[in-house]
Amino acid sequence: AQSVSQHNHHVILSEAASLELGCNYSYGGTVNLFWYVQYPGQHLQLLLKYFSGDPLVKGIKGFEAEFIKSKFSFNLRKPSVQWSDTAEYFCAVSYSGTYKYIFGTGTRLKVLA
Amino acid sequence: EAQVTQNPRYLITVTGKKLTVTCSQNMNHEYMSWYRQDPGLGLRQIYYSMNVEVTDKGDVPEGYKVSRKEKRNFPLILESPSPNQTSLYFCASSFLPERGGHEQYFGPGTRLTVT
Repeated sequence: AQSVSQHNHHVILSEAASLELGCNYSYGGTVNLFWYVQYPGQHLQLLLKYFSGDPLVKGIKGFEAEFIKSKFSFNLRKPSVQWSDTAEYFCAVSYSGTYKYIFGTGTRLKVLA
Repeated sequence: EAQVTQNPRYLITVTGKKLTVTCSQNMNHEYMSWYRQDPGLGLRQIYYSMNVEVTDKGDVPEGYKVSRKEKRNFPLILESPSPNQTSLYFCASSFLPERGGHEQYFGPGTRLTVT
C-alpha cells in the first residue's frame, strides 16, 4: 500500500536553530508532494509543493524542501526557526493518475524562545 | 472571502444516532475531500469527490457515506456512529490536479465525540 513516513514525531528546538524534517514516500510512479502546517487552533495550510521542475522548492515563511527521487524523500528545511514556527507539520503525497492524498503522521515542532 | 466552512464545529452524540457534518466551499472547486485526524495517525482520507455525483473511497471509508449533489457542498454522513469514529474531521477542496489544482484548502475542522 502507498504510504508516507515522517520520522520525527516530536522536535524541540531553540530559536535560530536549523530545522530538517524527514519525509519518505513509497514508490507508486509520478508523485506530487506537499508540506502542510497546522498552527495551534488553526486550519491546515500549504507550506510548499512540488509537482515538476526544480527539485528544490521554496515555500512561505522561509521554508524549503528538496525532492530526491532516488531516495523517495521530500525533506523540509528552514535555516533558522522562530518561536512562531511552533506547529504541527504534515507531509503529503498524491500519485499522478489518482485523486487520493496520503498524509504522514505529522511532526510536532516546538520552538523555545 | 475564499473559504471552506464546516458545521457543526463541535458535536457530542451517542452511539447509533445518525448525524451529518456539512461542508461548503465558495471557490468553485471541483475536488472535495473528507479527512479524519487522530493522534499518532495523522490525516487519513475518508472519501473524495472529483465533481458533482462523482465520489470515491479513500483509505478509511467504513462507517461513512458522502454525497455530492451540488458543486459547493459535500456532506459527510455517519448513519450509525460508533465510539471509534470519535475524531477531528476536516473537509478540503481544490481544483482538479489536471487543472493545476494541487493545493487543498482546508476547513476549520469538526470535533466529533461519540459516547
